[in-house]
Amino acid sequence: QKEVEQNSGPLSVPEGAIASLNCTYSDRGSQSFFWYRQYSGKSPELIMFIYSNGDKEDGRFTAQLNKASQYVSLLIRDSQPSDSATYLCAVDSGGSNYKLTFGKGTLLTVNP
Amino acid sequence: DAMVIQNPRYQVTQFGKPVTLSCSQTLNHNVMYWYQQKSSQAPKLLFHYYDKDFNNEADTPDNFQSRRPNTSFCFLDIRSPGLGDAAMYLCATSRAGPRTGELFFGEGSRLTVL
Repeated sequence: QKEVEQNSGPLSVPEGAIASLNCTYSDRGSQSFFWYRQYSGKSPELIMFIYSNGDKEDGRFTAQLNKASQYVSLLIRDSQPSDSATYLCAVDSGGSNYKLTFGKGTLLTVNP
Repeated sequence: DAMVIQNPRYQVTQFGKPVTLSCSQTLNHNVMYWYQQKSSQAPKLLFHYYDKDFNNEADTPDNFQSRRPNTSFCFLDIRSPGLGDAAMYLCATSRAGPRTGELFFGEGSRLTVL
């Protein structure tokens, strides 16, 4: 069974710090990797995607992918209280990116 | 603004009383999905449509059915809701092609079963 594992947290960081969120996945055939942010009681919204090994930066967010280690991470620099949310890692199913498998998410709290 | 709209946002039903949730989109996306999300759990894919092609997940209970009468609309029917079906139901869309995994979610329909 294809699995996506995340530390459920909560991860608590002070305002202005770097938050580091991690995700491992079991399907070696996966090609596409996504980070979704979900505020409490709301639906997920896409914040980052990465398809190639290495780093991808977008503003304060950096996604990192290591396919050999089956590991993907999200760094949030200069964390703000508005970043407090659950971050869901999602991975495609063996190259079929019509279907995503989501992790349970990591709850991030940024303290003012 | 182009978007994904779900109705109703909140639905209360009685055990065994059928429920229909709707989803409409103005993004003109080929692919539409229904996910079930319970508290503190990962969204779980129930089924998806690629255009009119319906794809059911193997572990989706028979109690759940779906219809997509046209590109813009998709419905989730729960024929006989049980207490375990109480959850947030999320509709999502995406473009077909290399960026299919970039999902656009509606605001969700929260189902309560009494």
